[in-house]
Amino acid sequence: RKEVEQDPGPFNVPEGATVAFNCTYSNSASQSFFWYRQDCRKEPKLLMSVYSSGNEDGRFTAQLNRASQYISLLIRDSKLSDSATYLCVVLSGSARQLTFGSGTQLTVLP
Amino acid sequence: DGGITQSPKYLFRKEGQNVTLSCEQNLNHDAMYWYRQDPGQGLRLIYYSQIVNDFQKGDIAEGYSVSREKKESFPLTVTSAQKNPTAFYLCASSIGSPPTYNSPLHFGNGTRLTVT
Repeated sequence: RKEVEQDPGPFNVPEGATVAFNCTYSNSASQSFFWYRQDCRKEPKLLMSVYSSGNEDGRFTAQLNRASQYISLLIRDSKLSDSATYLCVVLSGSARQLTFGSGTQLTVLP
Repeated sequence: DGGITQSPKYLFRKEGQNVTLSCEQNLNHDAMYWYRQDPGQGLRLIYYSQIVNDFQKGDIAEGYSVSREKKESFPLTVTSAQKNPTAFYLCASSIGSPPTYNSPLHFGNGTRLTVT
């Protein structure tokens, strides 16, 4: 089982739609959680950290469920510019370094 | 502006040649990292350095080497021993190691290496 698993998609949604991505992680001792955004052939950029109580940043909401070991990202009112690959990232492992999921591809259609 | 600079953006090499990828940061970050990304896969950690003159192997260090003689610089050498070197290589840095909520990872814009 992969340490961090994501549905690869692609998710094709119309502009204005609400879309949610889930990510599961295998190490129950994982400590920190992040969502990164990666545009085609570019470097990943931090979208938001994921806190235990859940957190919101504009149209983006991140949730953490430690009991079920999953993280979610909700995007409301999707924009064309939200089209990208969303990477779930978890801090875990004996070396305490980040583990990246393979990403979920989102395309927002006009 | 502070940031991480990787050069070159595209690199082509013949099989059997060693090649060195450059990574420079002016963020005054202590920790630096090298990741590799293959199509449809997540980033995989090659090497990381928490402080000058020290570095650790990541998950896929075989066939790679690094040095950290200066805080700002963390070059990666892809040796001829690396079986499948063609990939997108990303350098990153963080204030401290491991990256945390207060010290997130920042990436350079990457080097695409093609070996034929």
